[in-house]
Amino acid sequence: EPEVTQTPSHQVTQMGQEVILRCVPISNHLYFYWYRQILGQKVEFLVSFYNNEISEKSEIFDDQFSVERPDGSNFTLKIRSTKLEDSAMYFCASSGGYNEQFFGPGTRLTVL
Amino acid sequence: QKEVEQDPGPLSVPEGAIVSLNCTYSNSAFQYFMWYRQYSRKGPELLMYTYSSGNKEDGRFTAQVDKSSKYISLFIRDSQPSDSATYLCAMSLLMKTSYDKVIFGPGTSLSVIP
Repeated sequence: EPEVTQTPSHQVTQMGQEVILRCVPISNHLYFYWYRQILGQKVEFLVSFYNNEISEKSEIFDDQFSVERPDGSNFTLKIRSTKLEDSAMYFCASSGGYNEQFFGPGTRLTVL
Repeated sequence: QKEVEQDPGPLSVPEGAIVSLNCTYSNSAFQYFMWYRQYSRKGPELLMYTYSSGNKEDGRFTAQVDKSSKYISLFIRDSQPSDSATYLCAMSLLMKTSYDKVIFGPGTSLSVIP
């Protein structure tokens, strides 16, 4: 069964460093998303991406964040200068339509 | 008022019991309703989705939506220890395009005791 994959599974970084989280969506999907989940809290929407541009972003997704689809298979989330409060699980999701979003296993980001 | 609310639990039931999980929401514009299951430190897994009011059954799972009350439910029959997880209700607007964000509830933690 096709699935969304994410790498790395765990990323540890120093405050102020840049990180790139990578995702491979399901191959025939056209809509891509990033969500995050701070430990013990709910899953929160960050950004949606379609047709090589951002469709919608939340107030969390400030100028420190960017997304890119550098080739036909990868979808990345970059955090330019990480802060302690960026520590969370980051989930990539993809959809072929009708709002059925399929989530990857997540990348646990720890900012020290 | 929070957009989507769920009783966080934890909910503990014996194996074989019928489980009822519930969510309320405030935005009457939501049209698309989902239930996700999340195991510890894993990604949400889509269990069921329904559009607008009504019931939908899939094996041991039944999802109900009552838009007039802004209330959705998930029933699990013959619960199994493997059903132990956090259950997230989720919903979105039905847009003309399909890239609308999903709004999640905080989740209900369920333990099924053998």
